[in-house]
Amino acid sequence: GIQVEQSPPDLILQEGANSTLRCNFSDSVNNLQWFHQNPWGQLINLFYIPSGTKQNGRLSATTVATERYSLLYISSSQTTDSGVYFCAVDPHANTGNQFYFGTGTSLTVIP
Amino acid sequence: DAGVIQSPRHEVTEMGQEVTLRCKPISGHDYLFWYRQTMMRGLELLIYFNNNVPIDDSGMPEDRFSAKMPNASFSTLKIQPSEPRDSAVYFCASSLQTGANMNTEAFFGQGTRLTVV
Repeated sequence: GIQVEQSPPDLILQEGANSTLRCNFSDSVNNLQWFHQNPWGQLINLFYIPSGTKQNGRLSATTVATERYSLLYISSSQTTDSGVYFCAVDPHANTGNQFYFGTGTSLTVIP
Repeated sequence: DAGVIQSPRHEVTEMGQEVTLRCKPISGHDYLFWYRQTMMRGLELLIYFNNNVPIDDSGMPEDRFSAKMPNASFSTLKIQPSEPRDSAVYFCASSLQTGANMNTEAFFGQGTRLTVV
C-alpha cells in the first residue's frame, strides 16, 4: 500500500512561534486531509486538500500532488494547538475516503 | 447535523465477552468507515461500506470481528469473543461521493475507547 511519512515526529514550540509540518506520500492520491487529534482523542478536520493551497485563520496547507507532499503551516501557535497532527491520504478513485494515515506529528505548545 | 455519533464512548469488558460498537453517520453520506487506533499500528482502516453494502473488509483483523450496516443511519462493529489485544480506540467516519472521483471530506466520530481485561 501507499506509504505516508510525516515529519517531524515531535515538536515543542513556545507560544507564538510558527511551524511547518510535512507529509510525504509514495504514490498519487485522490484525496488528502489533515486532522488534529486533541488531547481528548477527537479527530478534528483541518483541511481537505488533495491539491493547491488553503487557509483557515492561523492555519494554512499546501499540497503539491505532482511532487507527492503536503505542508501544514501553523502561525502564532497557541497552547490549544497542542496535540497530534495527522495527514491521511486516499490513493483510490471512487472509494469514498479509504485513508492511509501517517504516524503523526506530536505538537506541544508551551506558554 | 450533529456529526458522526458513536456509542459508547468508553467500554470496559472482560476477555471472552461480546462487544458491540455503534455508529450513526452524517445524514446523506453514502460511505461509512471503521478505523482502529493503537499505539503499535496507528490508525488503520478495518472495513468500509458504500450505500450500506460492505465493500472491503480486508482490514478486519480476524473472524472475531464483524460489521454490519442494516440501514443508511446505523452501523455496528462486533467483536466476539473479545481479547485484551483488541483494546484500542475505534473510530467511525462517513463521507459523501458527489460524482466520479469527487469525494467530499470525511468526518470522524469521537471514537469508542475499548479496554478488554
